[in-house]
Amino acid sequence: DGGITQSPKYLFRKEGQNVTLSCEQNLNHDAMYWYRQDPGQGLRLIYYSQIVNDFQKGDIAEGYSVSREKKESFPLTVTSAQKNPTAFYLCASSKGARETQYFGPGTRLLVL
Amino acid sequence: QKEVEQNSGPLSVPEGAIASLNCTYSDRGSQSFFWYRQYSGKSPELIMFIYSNGDKEDGRFTAQLNKASQYVSLLIRDSQPSDSATYLCAVRDNYGQNFVFGPGTRLSVLP
Repeated sequence: DGGITQSPKYLFRKEGQNVTLSCEQNLNHDAMYWYRQDPGQGLRLIYYSQIVNDFQKGDIAEGYSVSREKKESFPLTVTSAQKNPTAFYLCASSKGARETQYFGPGTRLLVL
Repeated sequence: QKEVEQNSGPLSVPEGAIASLNCTYSDRGSQSFFWYRQYSGKSPELIMFIYSNGDKEDGRFTAQLNKASQYVSLLIRDSQPSDSATYLCAVRDNYGQNFVFGPGTRLSVLP
């Protein structure tokens, strides 16, 4: 089955801890994206990548980091610098930069 | 700052009625428009997209675009309780590579 997988489904972060959210796709899509969704709000773009080994900051990149070493994978690290990390994190991919985006199932991050 | 606005709702309609969801956008250069459905606790799933002025139909769904008025809507005919969800409008301009999402409209279809 082709699709986008995200893990874990739920993640708990302790104060001062860095945590990494996984996103994998087997759709052979070139572009991948990370969004954050807070209750009652739309999706906000954190980082995006159009090609392997290249990525750009979105609207709310502070406190986050990413890598794109493989076409299939685009992990997101929530660093200790992100003071309000509790949110629903969504990974998306698209065939090309301007193509329709498809979403993974999401990871819910909670702070202990 | 490019903005996409939607009425947050909830919009309540009886089963079998037509639900009308509206979206306005600020960037006149916007070229592509997308509607996603998001069930509570789940990720968004694409319903349809529209690029040209006018109507585009797909089953019970019709997207309507009016670029002059910077307005896009989604009509759901014969609404079912399973249509109860939040509907997100997303807009992409001709030069940018990214989508701007609205806050979503929560639809409730009452049996």
